[in-house]
Amino acid sequence: SQQGEEDPQALSIQEGENATMNCSYKTSINNLQWYRQNSGRGLVHLILIRSNEREKHSGRLRVTLDTSKKSSSLLITASRAADTASYFCAGSPGGYQKVTFGIGTKLQVIP
Amino acid sequence: GAVVSQHPSRVICKSGTSVKIECRSLDFQATTMFWYRQFPKQSLMLMATSNEGSKATYEQGVEKDKFLINHASLTLSTLTVTSAHPEDSSFYICSATTQGTDTQYFGPGTRLTVL
Repeated sequence: SQQGEEDPQALSIQEGENATMNCSYKTSINNLQWYRQNSGRGLVHLILIRSNEREKHSGRLRVTLDTSKKSSSLLITASRAADTASYFCAGSPGGYQKVTFGIGTKLQVIP
Repeated sequence: GAVVSQHPSRVICKSGTSVKIECRSLDFQATTMFWYRQFPKQSLMLMATSNEGSKATYEQGVEKDKFLINHASLTLSTLTVTSAHPEDSSFYICSATTQGTDTQYFGPGTRLTVL
């Protein structure tokens, strides 16, 4: 079964607005990672948050993690058209172990 | 740093032929590499995990005789799709990780089309 389930599956916003994507997972994790994928391309690692962290920032990205609710959120502030992509969360037990991807949120930022 | 390349980026082949896809870590030693496939508008599904010098571990439902994985060095893993059929058409993505990090670094993917 999928480790992560993103919500919403599709999101369309105007440039300059904030975009929030949520992710829920089922089993225990050591860390949760967010990736971005442009259409037909590989994945780009955005940010990793560990199970003992609650919030992390990187540029216009803000990630939160609530291990009690087994959920995470990715906030992109002041969105740009170039942020248009699919965003995936992936939970990992850590180390060299496999990550399991959610189904993704397709974000469209309208100029 | 932490760049992973894949070759080829696109391949079209006839049904029944075999196709080899290479995944290379360019500036780090990849102790573990992962192979995923992605169908259109869907998420990535892990196919197998490969550690340098040992046999790959395949996920349930993935035929190991059909998807041959070789991880001969710390910088190269190959996936060979044997006797390819149209249903094998997909986007194949590799990732690599190394000691001391939990982050997986992804290659750009290979688009396989089987006619």
